[in-house]
Amino acid sequence: AQSVTQLGSHVSVSEGALVLLRCNYSSSVPPYLFWYVQYPNQGLQLLLKYTSAATLVKGINGFEAEFKKSETSFHLTKPSAHMSDAAEYFCAVSVGLSNTGKLIFGQGTTLQVKP
Amino acid sequence: KAGVTQTPRYLIKTRGQQVTLSCSPISGHRSVSWYQQTPGQGLQFLFEYFSETQRNKGNFPGRFSGRQFSNSRSEMNVSTLELGDSALYLCASRSRDRGNTGELFFGEGSRLTVL
Repeated sequence: AQSVTQLGSHVSVSEGALVLLRCNYSSSVPPYLFWYVQYPNQGLQLLLKYTSAATLVKGINGFEAEFKKSETSFHLTKPSAHMSDAAEYFCAVSVGLSNTGKLIFGQGTTLQVKP
Repeated sequence: KAGVTQTPRYLIKTRGQQVTLSCSPISGHRSVSWYQQTPGQGLQFLFEYFSETQRNKGNFPGRFSGRQFSNSRSEMNVSTLELGDSALYLCASRSRDRGNTGELFFGEGSRLTVL
């Protein structure tokens, strides 16, 4: 069965510092992996996705993630944090081989950006 | 292109009542999924509908039900509300066109409070 673990429920960085949000997955089949961001009182917005085309995936707002099969990881990074990056971030894995509306989400990581 | 629209955005009900939430997907998207988001359980998959048929179902009691109409709009219903049903209910749509990697596009959610 697929599962997702996000290490660290809260991450705090200074503005301009590197952002690193960790995600490890468990999947018996090649996964589709996603990172979503949620701002207060809003829905989820897709940041980026891995669908087996390239292991380094670039997303919106300067975020990127690298798929590492050997480590079963899909960590999210951004070189320089901005105050507007403060939000909750969710890693998710798609269930099954084909695309599906059922995603398994991690518990989320709240990113705090300090001035 | 308009995004996923959910109504109502906020509602308050009392225990024992029932509630119906509505979701209009992005134009051309025929798959609609529903998720429940709570602080304790995180994001949990409720069900997915495609072509007016339920395709996937999460691990929720029968009090939670849904349907999809011929125009792809979807509704979910919760009967005999319990305090624990207080949550943000998120609807997401996706394209199932061939080659699409199936990322979900989320609405802003319906926040249900059960008193």
